[in-house]
Amino acid sequence: GESVGLHLPTLSVQEGDNSIINCAYSNSASDYFIWYKQESGKGPQFIIDIRSNMDKRQGQRVTVLLNKTVKHLSLQIAATQPGDSAVYFCAERATDSSYKLIFGSGTRLLVRP
Amino acid sequence: DGGITQSPKYLFRKEGQNVTLSCEQNLNHDAMYWYRQDPGQGLRLIYYSQIVNDFQKGDIAEGYSVSREKKESFPLTVTSAQKNPTAFYLCASSTSGTGGPGYTFGSGTRLTVV
Repeated sequence: GESVGLHLPTLSVQEGDNSIINCAYSNSASDYFIWYKQESGKGPQFIIDIRSNMDKRQGQRVTVLLNKTVKHLSLQIAATQPGDSAVYFCAERATDSSYKLIFGSGTRLLVRP
Repeated sequence: DGGITQSPKYLFRKEGQNVTLSCEQNLNHDAMYWYRQDPGQGLRLIYYSQIVNDFQKGDIAEGYSVSREKKESFPLTVTSAQKNPTAFYLCASSTSGTGGPGYTFGSGTRLTVV
């Protein structure tokens, strides 16, 4: 459904710490889940995805965890850097023939130097 | 380099005018999408197209129109019927079907009504 409110939830972390960004999804039948990073005034950039038959997937400094029991997705960023400051969106892929992505409302990550 | 290009970056529209936002991709992707983003909010789907000469309405299609005459191009027209058009518009493309789900996004067009 539509996101509500004008203010994104914000996570503030110290540079060098690990960050965990959470997302709840709605459709238990979705087959792919994806994390995007969006810097101010730019289009979203793909970070990492995970298929619904997996629980965990690791990339470079990022890990995505999928808990299908509670329909929860998380993105872990190790050793957070100032360049990680952005808005992060999770998305789930529709299971109908459209294959369209349905985006969550986003979380703003602020990295303190 | 392959990519997806949106133009213009900034666009100003007077009340009652139609404006067209351009989106071009050279990724050979079958599917293309238009999303709208309002400040502090997520992305909402306006229209999408999985093949040339075919497109479907998304969640907020009212006041918008699209065409898909070429695989590379998916322009969006914001008509005068769209009562609150000021927003950031994002175009994306992907391989449709069983390929990976990731979209490639353009850099967006910021539309302002003056």
